[in-house]
Amino acid sequence: DADVTQTPRNRITKTGKRIMLECSQTKGHDRMYWYRQDPGLGLRLIYYSFDVKDINKGEISDGYSVSRQAQAKFSLSLESAIPNQTALYFCATSDAGRTSYNEQFFGPGTRLTVL
Amino acid sequence: SQQGEEDPQALSIQEGENATMNCSYKTSINNLQWYRQNSGRGLVHLILIRSNEREKHSGRLRVTLDTSKKSSSLLITASRAADTASYFCATPGVGNEKLTFGTGTRLTIIP
Repeated sequence: DADVTQTPRNRITKTGKRIMLECSQTKGHDRMYWYRQDPGLGLRLIYYSFDVKDINKGEISDGYSVSRQAQAKFSLSLESAIPNQTALYFCATSDAGRTSYNEQFFGPGTRLTVL
Repeated sequence: SQQGEEDPQALSIQEGENATMNCSYKTSINNLQWYRQNSGRGLVHLILIRSNEREKHSGRLRVTLDTSKKSSSLLITASRAADTASYFCATPGVGNEKLTFGTGTRLTIIP
């Protein structure tokens, strides 16, 4: 979905490096999410944010941090990357504040490899 | 932890046939959603069914929901090669704040 963009699309890094993945959206949505996907598995929620001042941990937040710089921007950081953080990372947005249901719109993903 | 679990994990059918995949979940929900993921790409929302609905259609998609059995099915009729993808069900948490995704069904349409 071109309304949700992620940079970089691919990244190879080394163990111990700090990495930042960025997400931007033009949908005007309040809610933003970071997920990781491992081969053969579904998506697991890392962090989510309902607005700039509201950040919440997901089920696998250890080793990650986030920053909601503006309504449209939500960044994910790996403080000290390790090989088991090699995965496909997705950002998503939703407008659940105005509707009853949490239909989510996904970015194209960032493929991260930690050597 | 996974709320939804899809069955089968993988499915291969001939083009033109119908494809059915199932999702079971554990807790009470007010809606269930289905998403499609083409290889290595972001998920795309397909259809949402509310807990007071038993069946919903969208083009070649038909979704059913049985809240008594905590299960849903997605039927794709007259499959096409472009339907090759992974399909995930997703269920909301408390207050619809977040979604929990199943592990997905990988569908392959054989031309």
